Amino acid sequence: EVQLVESGGGLVKPGGSLRLSCAASGFTFRNAWMSWVRQAPGKGLEWVGRIKGKTDGGTTDYAAPVKGRFTISRDESKNTLYLQMNSLKTEDTAVYYCTTGEGNSGYFDYWGQGTLVTVSS
Amino acid sequence: QSVLTQPPSASGTPGQRVTISCSGSSSNIRSNYVYWYQQLPGTAPKLLIYRNNQRPSGVPDRFSGSKSGTSASLAISGLRSEDEADYYCAAWDDSLSGVVFGGGTKLTVL
Repeated sequence: EVQLVESGGGLVKPGGSLRLSCAASGFTFRNAWMSWVRQAPGKGLEWVGRIKGKTDGGTTDYAAPVKGRFTISRDESKNTLYLQMNSLKTEDTAVYYCTTGEGNSGYFDYWGQGTLVTVSS
Repeated sequence: QSVLTQPPSASGTPGQRVTISCSGSSSNIRSNYVYWYQQLPGTAPKLLIYRNNQRPSGVPDRFSGSKSGTSASLAISGLRSEDEADYYCAAWDDSLSGVVFGGGTKLTVL
């Protein structure tokens, strides 16, 4: 059974940093393309970025609003995906979901339960 | 302002058929597959339709998807109270080199 469990959310001040983790199990993590998708309170879904599987080079892509501030990485030895968030802004307040996907597509077949990040002074 | 445009709300009575539209452009819907997600209150989104019109195992055949040009639609037939949820369309955008979502449609079963 595929499981994605996010952690690391919380309250942080504007300009601060936070690292989210996503523990994955039930599938071959090293080959999986993984994405982060966020949802601001009462708002719609927004793609944050993705990291390709190791066999596809493990490169990353980001949405314009977070490029240069957020970094996605993975640790195959721990089957864990990370989202390092720096220079946080109030508009980054959202529930952050970890998802599995494939290729250049809007395909996200498994989702975690999400972790809430609140950026406020 | 979302790249893909959906109506903010839709409604129907039990047993009815409702459709939700998703409008995009040549850089997203016209040239790439469309995906649909259902988000029940307080839960994570769930994949409902992939590659325009394919259903993952376990999704009832009451749900169907279609695409034409720069628009796509999700149809729900035999509407049930448990279908009350938010629905989102998504696609890869070649110009943005990223995934774009619709703003979401809140479906109410009257």
